[in-house]
Amino acid sequence: KQEVTQIPAALSVPEGENLVLNCSFTDSAIYNLQWFRQDPGKGLTSLLLIQSSQREQTSGRLNASLDKSSGRSTLYIAASQPGDSATYLCAVIGGATNKLIFGTGTLLAVQP
Amino acid sequence: GAGVSQTPSNKVTEKGKYVELRCDPISGHTALYWYRQSLGQGPEFLIYFQGTGAADDSGLPNDRFFAVRPEGSVSTLKIQRTERGDSAVYLCASSLGLSGRGYTFGSGTRLTVV
Repeated sequence: KQEVTQIPAALSVPEGENLVLNCSFTDSAIYNLQWFRQDPGKGLTSLLLIQSSQREQTSGRLNASLDKSSGRSTLYIAASQPGDSATYLCAVIGGATNKLIFGTGTLLAVQP
Repeated sequence: GAGVSQTPSNKVTEKGKYVELRCDPISGHTALYWYRQSLGQGPEFLIYFQGTGAADDSGLPNDRFFAVRPEGSVSTLKIQRTERGDSAVYLCASSLGLSGRGYTFGSGTRLTVV
């Protein structure tokens, strides 16, 4: 059974700092991995999607990497801003199903 | 529509009552998913529709939960004999199809059973 873990559960950083969020999964037979952002009381916004054949994806200040063999992904946020404060969730899709399996998220607070 | 619409945004119901939660996906998205998110947790998969049929309902916790998508567009999640443990945010998402590409989530329905 696929299990997704995110570390740390919560993180507080000063504005301008670069940071890394970690995601690990137990079954390396994934189709892709996605990082989402969730603001309080809101739905999920997709940030980056990495196909299983890819190693990383970049969008603006965000960079996500994938090491499928070791079951790890990282989300790197450069020059953090208070507007980046949110919960960040990673999720994987296995090859035999289309459902997303989510981690429990990392609650990020960027202090001005 | 421009996004995935879920109604109501909030629902408070008494234990034992029946509730229906509605999801209106993005036009043209053939795949529709329901997830449930408890406080402090990531969303958990409930059911996935491809067109009108439930392609995977393995996440439904028990037979009190049922979902339909009769015309391949709007979906309704139905919960019978609600229990306090059913309290959560119910999220709906739609996509163009497999691989998760183009997953768009709605804002969710916050269900509180008192």
